[in-house]
Amino acid sequence: AQKITQTQPGMFVQEKEAVTLDCTYDTSDQSYGLFWYKQPSSGEMIFLIYQGSYDEQNATEGRYSLNFQKARKSANLVISASQLGDSAMYFCAMRGVSGAGSYQLTFGKGTKLSVIP
Amino acid sequence: GAGVSQSPSNKVTEKGKDVELRCDPISGHTALYWYRQSLGQGLEFLIYFQGNSAPDKSGLPSDRFSAERTGGSVSTLTIQRTQQEDSAVYLCASSLVVGRVGSPLHFGNGTRLTVT
Repeated sequence: AQKITQTQPGMFVQEKEAVTLDCTYDTSDQSYGLFWYKQPSSGEMIFLIYQGSYDEQNATEGRYSLNFQKARKSANLVISASQLGDSAMYFCAMRGVSGAGSYQLTFGKGTKLSVIP
Repeated sequence: GAGVSQSPSNKVTEKGKDVELRCDPISGHTALYWYRQSLGQGLEFLIYFQGNSAPDKSGLPSDRFSAERTGGSVSTLTIQRTQQEDSAVYLCASSLVVGRVGSPLHFGNGTRLTVT
């Protein structure tokens, strides 16, 4: 079974500053994938970035990067140069290769990010 | 093509009534998923479809919940005899295939269900 833990219920960041959203995970699978999603107040879940467990380099997508530390089982999302439109809930999720974890994404409880002008 | 479409966007129903929630996935996506998101909570997996088949229904909260998918496309989630604890946002997602580790889910905007 997979488990995702997001320990920050809420975060504040000043506009144009960088922010790190924490995510730790637990799985017995050797191969797995880690995902981050953004959920604005409109409700839609927007896929941001993906990291595979065997990827040697940290994933980056524009202003988003994933700080992947495999030994610590952490997959933190870094948002550079925050914008007001980044205010949203952010969810970390994972998929493994065995059992139920091989087809569904398991989600954390999320972190609410507020960007201050 | 278009993204995942869900209808209705909002549904208010009286306790004890049946409701049907509809999901139209991205064209060509063989996998379809239903999740539930209660207020302030993460996403709870309900069921997934590979084509028209639902291999694992164990995530459905009770036998009042059922889902079907026809033609490898549209899916309907039905809740019978609704209860107040069924109030939540029901999210549908699709992906190109099932079981590929790196295949992201693409979500619709959800249906907000309120049971009074």
